[in-house]
Amino acid sequence: DGGITQSPKYLFRKEGQNVTLSCEQNLNHDAMYWYRQDPGQGLRLIYYSQIVNDFQKGDIAEGYSVSREKKESFPLTVTSAQKNPTAFYLCASSIFRGAGELFFGEGSRLTVL
Amino acid sequence: KNEVEQSPQNLTAQEGEFITINCSYSVGISALHWLQQHPGGGIVSLFMLSSGKKKHGRLIATINIQEKHSSLHITASHPRDSAVYICAAPERENPDRGSTLGRLYFGRGTQLTVWP
Repeated sequence: DGGITQSPKYLFRKEGQNVTLSCEQNLNHDAMYWYRQDPGQGLRLIYYSQIVNDFQKGDIAEGYSVSREKKESFPLTVTSAQKNPTAFYLCASSIFRGAGELFFGEGSRLTVL
Repeated sequence: KNEVEQSPQNLTAQEGEFITINCSYSVGISALHWLQQHPGGGIVSLFMLSSGKKKHGRLIATINIQEKHSSLHITASHPRDSAVYICAAPERENPDRGSTLGRLYFGRGTQLTVWP
């Protein structure tokens, strides 16, 4: 079955450590996105990618980094520069940016200890 | 000001009741998405619509492009419908040229709780 797989589902990190969240899709979608969700707030865009080897900052990119070396994969690194990294992170994809049905992963919950 | 506004923020219903969640948007869009977020956090797409009405089982989504308004209805609600419902609108960047690629705006979600 086609879909998006995120891992890990839960992650604990000590302050000062970088962590990488995995996002893999087998839908052959060009566009992939990373969102952050905090309690009581809507989804906020961290980064998006429209094509392999290209990605753009979203609204809250500071303290995060991404890569898009393969069409299927769009990992997100939460760096130590992110001041408040505890949140729920969602990866999504669509056939093109802003077009087509949206597919989401199950999310990764990051807690900084 | 949010480009996408949802109401109500919270909704409680008794099993069997008819539910309506509203979404208004201020941007020019190519389509509107209704999403469902489960208690565990995963999100699934319910509808993507650009005009008229769509129906899937007990869920119905309508959109009025002129009024920039969409509604999600749930008939004969059930406790398993309890979730957060989110509307999302991808902005049409160049409406005069018909471009449909643009950023996606999300509403803050409606927490629906259906009691047995």
